[in-house]
Amino acid sequence: DGGITQSPKYLFRKEGQNVTLSCEQNLNHDAMYWYRQDPGQGLRLIYYSQIVNDFQKGDIAEGYSVSREKKESFPLTVTSAQKNPTAFYLCASSIRLASDEQYFGPGTRLTVT
Amino acid sequence: GQNIDQPTEMTATEGAIVQINCTYQTSGFNGLFWYQQHAGEAPTFLSYNVLDGLEEKGRFSSFLSRSKGYSYLLLKELQMKDSASYLCAVADWQKLSFGAGTTVTVRA
Repeated sequence: DGGITQSPKYLFRKEGQNVTLSCEQNLNHDAMYWYRQDPGQGLRLIYYSQIVNDFQKGDIAEGYSVSREKKESFPLTVTSAQKNPTAFYLCASSIRLASDEQYFGPGTRLTVT
Repeated sequence: GQNIDQPTEMTATEGAIVQINCTYQTSGFNGLFWYQQHAGEAPTFLSYNVLDGLEEKGRFSSFLSRSKGYSYLLLKELQMKDSASYLCAVADWQKLSFGAGTTVTVRA
């Protein structure tokens, strides 16, 4: 079955620690994305990548970092510089950028205390 | 950038019809998407409009007017399982920008 996996589903960290969220897809999609969702709000774009070894900042990239070393994988690191990291994080992929349907992973709910 | 507005909440009765409006202001337009998101879950694709007019897909229809910066999602024959958040998203040439979502509650 093709799809996107994110792990873990729930993640708890202490303030001041970096944490890496996993995102893997086997859909052979070129484009991948990371979004953040807070209660009562829409999805806000953190980073996106059109192709391996290339990625662009989205609207709220401060305090986050990504890598795209393989087509299938797009991990997101939430650094200690992110002031308000507790949120629901969603990874998505599409065949190409923007005009194609995005397929979403199940999400990781990160709680930082 | 994009500015996307949609109502926060709507309530309707099972079997009824609900129309969710979305207005947008954009610096580049490459289509408009509607997604459905149940609480705590990932969004799932409902529709995509790039040309003006109505796209019908079963109980769901989506309309676009590019000149007015306006779209709506029409949900017919509402079922309890349609209770969810509906997200309007506008594509420019590289990425999607999402509205805050409209929470639809279907009552028996």
